[in-house]
Amino acid sequence: DVVMTQSPLSLPVTLGQPASISCRSSQSLVHSDGNTYLNWFQQRPGQSPRRLIYKVSNRDSGVPDRFSGSGSTTDFTLKISRVEAEDVGVYYCMQGTHWPRTFGQGTKVEIK
Amino acid sequence: EVQLLESGGGSVQPGGSLRLSCAASGFTFSNYAMSWVRQAPGKGLEWVSTISINGVNTYYADSVKGRFTISRDNSKNTLYLQINSLRAEDTALYYCAKGYYGYDGWGQGALVTVSS
Repeated sequence: DVVMTQSPLSLPVTLGQPASISCRSSQSLVHSDGNTYLNWFQQRPGQSPRRLIYKVSNRDSGVPDRFSGSGSTTDFTLKISRVEAEDVGVYYCMQGTHWPRTFGQGTKVEIK
Repeated sequence: EVQLLESGGGSVQPGGSLRLSCAASGFTFSNYAMSWVRQAPGKGLEWVSTISINGVNTYYADSVKGRFTISRDNSKNTLYLQINSLRAEDTALYYCAKGYYGYDGWGQGALVTVSS
């Protein structure tokens, strides 16, 4: 199975400051079709997950542009340019290239 | 707007069975693969199963293979998960999710509790 390793697991941030979460996979996430199926999800307290980013760097509809995704092959990053109070929650990366699908452990973002 | 509404959760004894349903609306259900993802209390997300558009292809996590069965009825816009031989470690909130390579719609979850 592809192991997804996120860091840090806890991220205290100051409002208005940037934040960055790393996600590393144990195998290349480049699919045979040429796409890299790396997703990022946000789960606010008490809510269902919501996808923010698909295929490494594509924002889902309605996702604020302060969220951005980057990376390639086995090394990926989610960045929040200026953290807002509504960004508090747990963030997960997930690979959709290989079976079984696997998620990272989650990174808890909180306000300092 | 994508809407996914799970039902069928409950409290069961070890070895018991449940069938979860997920009623979909707001999109053309028959055009999308669908998945189940679960989350144990206080834990992270775990992919459980995925079914192709026409139901021919199904995929399972090793932890549920042989015990869980995913299916769909495109005429009813409904996804199902038959869960048998339940174990304590199956206790979780089970989410219905839209998608194959990633999930762009999620339900509110159905809670399954396995306890004697």
